[in-house]
Amino acid sequence: QKEVEQDPGPLSVPEGAIVSLNCTYSNSAFQYFMWYRQYSRKGPELLMYTYSSGNKEDGRFTAQVDKSSKYISLFIRDSQPSDSATYLCAMNSNFGNEKLTFGTGTRLTIIP
Amino acid sequence: KAGVTQTPRYLIKTRGQQVTLSCSPISGHRSVSWYQQTPGQGLQFLFEYFSETQRNKGNFPGRFSGRQFSNSRSEMNVSTLELGDSALYLCASSPSSSYNSPLHFGNGTRLTVT
Repeated sequence: QKEVEQDPGPLSVPEGAIVSLNCTYSNSAFQYFMWYRQYSRKGPELLMYTYSSGNKEDGRFTAQVDKSSKYISLFIRDSQPSDSATYLCAMNSNFGNEKLTFGTGTRLTIIP
Repeated sequence: KAGVTQTPRYLIKTRGQQVTLSCSPISGHRSVSWYQQTPGQGLQFLFEYFSETQRNKGNFPGRFSGRQFSNSRSEMNVSTLELGDSALYLCASSPSSSYNSPLHFGNGTRLTVT
């Protein structure tokens, strides 16, 4: 079993819908949680960065972390065709030899 | 500010050959990490360099190696290529080696081994 599980999709939603992307993890030591967006033929770009449990909002994006359930989410409001990409969750602890542990990514398509 | 630059963008090699990939980090960033991305496994950590020293290493065979130069530029080398080494190789830089220092990725080098 992988340390981080992410539904690979693909996920298709109409423009303007609210999108929910999720990851579960097994390592209770994880404290730092990130979401990256990766467009086709591009590298991942950092979208959201949160520490421990709680919510963080940035424009149309909201990241949620529930450490008790080992579950993190990314919500996209008023989704746009330009949001079509693969979304990767990533996380790490303050020890261990890996820089970040990534989910396998969810491919999202916003239909105009 | 220029982003992370990786060269070349695409490479085609045959089994048994060796390959060297190059990465120039964001100016001022001293930590460089390398990841392998495949459809089945996602992103897997290869190694991290900071101030010319390897700080961390992932679970890859010794055929995968890297180095970092005094200007923070980094190279990774794969020797005796296997078909399974076909992947997108991503380099990421960050200002420090701290575990909570976010990574900034380049656009990768797509390696195809035939």
